[in-house]
Amino acid sequence: QKEVEQNSGPLSVPEGAIASLNCTYSDRGSQSFFWYRQYSGKSPELIMFIYSNGDKEDGRFTAQLNKASQYVSLLIRDSQPSDSATYLCAVKQAGTALIFGKGTTLSVSS
Amino acid sequence: DGGITQSPKYLFRKEGQNVTLSCEQNLNHDAMYWYRQDPGQGLRLIYYSQIVNDFQKGDIAEGYSVSREKKESFPLTVTSAQKNPTAFYLCASSLTGRTEAFFGQGTRLTVV
Repeated sequence: QKEVEQNSGPLSVPEGAIASLNCTYSDRGSQSFFWYRQYSGKSPELIMFIYSNGDKEDGRFTAQLNKASQYVSLLIRDSQPSDSATYLCAVKQAGTALIFGKGTTLSVSS
Repeated sequence: DGGITQSPKYLFRKEGQNVTLSCEQNLNHDAMYWYRQDPGQGLRLIYYSQIVNDFQKGDIAEGYSVSREKKESFPLTVTSAQKNPTAFYLCASSLTGRTEAFFGQGTRLTVV
């Protein structure tokens, strides 16, 4: 059974702080890794994807991948109240479907 | 506009009824997916299809059926065999390979 594990939270950070979200996965054959943001009652929207070990930055977001440790993380710098949402980690092999974790709820207080 | 359209947005089902959820995409994506989300939970895979006229079961396929007669369309039928169908259903599509998936706006199904 392929599994993706996330701490359900809630993770609470003050406005302007760095939020750190973590994810581990069980399938060593996973090739691509994604972070989605989901607001309550809405569908998930893609924030970041990463394929290779190391860091990938996009604006205030940085995704980090360590395949040896089977670990993916998302850092959100200068957190804003509008970042308050559930963050879903997903992994994928080519030719298969995305497998999702249960998500981490982030709350950013002003 | 390119995108994924799910309909209806809200759907009510009586006990013992089959209902069909629509999913259409105009992104020219080969792969399409159905997920179910329960309150406070992540997304669980129901079915996915990589190509027309072919599909694979996900982790929770029991009580559901799909068809893929056209590249653009991947309807999901929730049958009476699904004992607890009340949930938020999400359709997604992607290019084949290791690429990201994009989601429709979802259908919220309630059993009355």
